Amino acid sequence: AQRVTQPEKLLSVFKGAPVELKCNYSYSGSPELFWYVQYSRQRLQLLLRHISRESIKGFTADLNKGETSFHLKKPFAQEEDSAMYYCALSGGSGGYQKVTFGIGTKLQVIP
Amino acid sequence: DTGVSQDPRHKITKRGQNVTFRCDPISEHNRLYWYRQTLGQGPEFLTYFQNEAQLEKSRLLSDRFSAERPKGSFSTLEIQRTEQGDSAMYLCASSLLSGRGEQYFGPGTRLTVT
Repeated sequence: AQRVTQPEKLLSVFKGAPVELKCNYSYSGSPELFWYVQYSRQRLQLLLRHISRESIKGFTADLNKGETSFHLKKPFAQEEDSAMYYCALSGGSGGYQKVTFGIGTKLQVIP
Repeated sequence: DTGVSQDPRHKITKRGQNVTFRCDPISEHNRLYWYRQTLGQGPEFLTYFQNEAQLEKSRLLSDRFSAERPKGSFSTLEIQRTEQGDSAMYLCASSLLSGRGEQYFGPGTRLTVT
């Protein structure tokens, strides 16, 4: 079974403060981890994935297999970062990768 | 092609009625997914198509739910004898065969069962 845990439903930070959105996962194989974001009145969209090791909009996330975590970080929060963030895990076999989402964390950046 | 589209965007129905939703994926995408999202939850997987074949269904998908993807293009999700517990946002997503976990979502259909 695959599971994604996002322990915080709401995270409020001041503009310019560092942000860390937590994500822990449970999966027996080698998963692929993603962060999806949903801005107000917009559709869910991919923010970043661990295999790319990229920084998108200043956000980074490192897969820590020892701690089974994939936390999303940004050094300086901006007001436009306010959104719902979902951690997702892709795993499976036979060519099909089932995607399991966490419950999401609402990030609120206070001006 | 402007992305995944879903129709209708909102549907209000009375308990016991049947409803059908449509999803048009990105044209070159082989895979199509249906999710359900309720308030305070992330998207929950319902079913998945690879081309026209329905390859997996969640146990959340009771026998009142049926999905089709004729000719491997658009897909429909039908709910028969709707119940108030079916009220949710129904999301469709599509991806390439090679797109490991990277899915493109539609705007969703919000269903309200009264």
